[in-house]
Amino acid sequence: EVQLLVSGGGQVQPGGSLRLSCAASGFTFKNYAMTWVRQAPGKGLEWVSAITGSGVTSYYADSVKGRFTISRDNSKNTLYLQVNGLTAEDTAVYYCAKDNGDDGMDVWGQGTTVTVSS
Amino acid sequence: QSVLTQPPSASGTPGQRVTISCSGSSSNIGSNTVNWYRHLPGTAPKLLIYSSNQRPSGVPDRFSGSKSGTSASLAISGLQSEDEADYYCSAWDDSLKGYVFGTGTTVTVL
Repeated sequence: EVQLLVSGGGQVQPGGSLRLSCAASGFTFKNYAMTWVRQAPGKGLEWVSAITGSGVTSYYADSVKGRFTISRDNSKNTLYLQVNGLTAEDTAVYYCAKDNGDDGMDVWGQGTTVTVSS
Repeated sequence: QSVLTQPPSASGTPGQRVTISCSGSSSNIGSNTVNWYRHLPGTAPKLLIYSSNQRPSGVPDRFSGSKSGTSASLAISGLQSEDEADYYCSAWDDSLKGYVFGTGTTVTVL
């Protein structure tokens, strides 16, 4: 079964950091780009970051550039998102997704909640 | 930020047809394909339409997508109560070098 299991969320103070993980199974992980998407309370879906299958190239939304870092370990079939310099605006449910490019994000993890509050 | 514009809401009675529009620009919809997602808060989003008009296996043919110029649309025919959800369009943006999502449309079955 194709599955993505997201972990690592929690409550942190403003300026704090977290590392989110997304463990993949059921498909050849290294062959696919991966993406992080978030949804803040009461807001719509917002794309955060993407990384190619090899991990060589990454992309970021302007809202997180310089603070978030996407990476992957293809030997562990795991995607990561290091989130630093957190602000209240980063409070959201964070989802990872298997990125098929033009064919869409066809597999999604269940999401992990990040709450930034003092 | 959302650079794809959708109506905030759409509604219909069971059996009716509902259409959701998605307006973008030359750097996103005008240059790339559009994907549509269905989302129930608290659950993982689900891919509904890819490559502007293709349905993944398992998605009923009541759902259809189209694209013209810098706009796209999702149509739901034979509306059912279980179609109540939030729907989002998405496309790659060549200028932003990232994906953009639409503002989202909440579908209500009256």
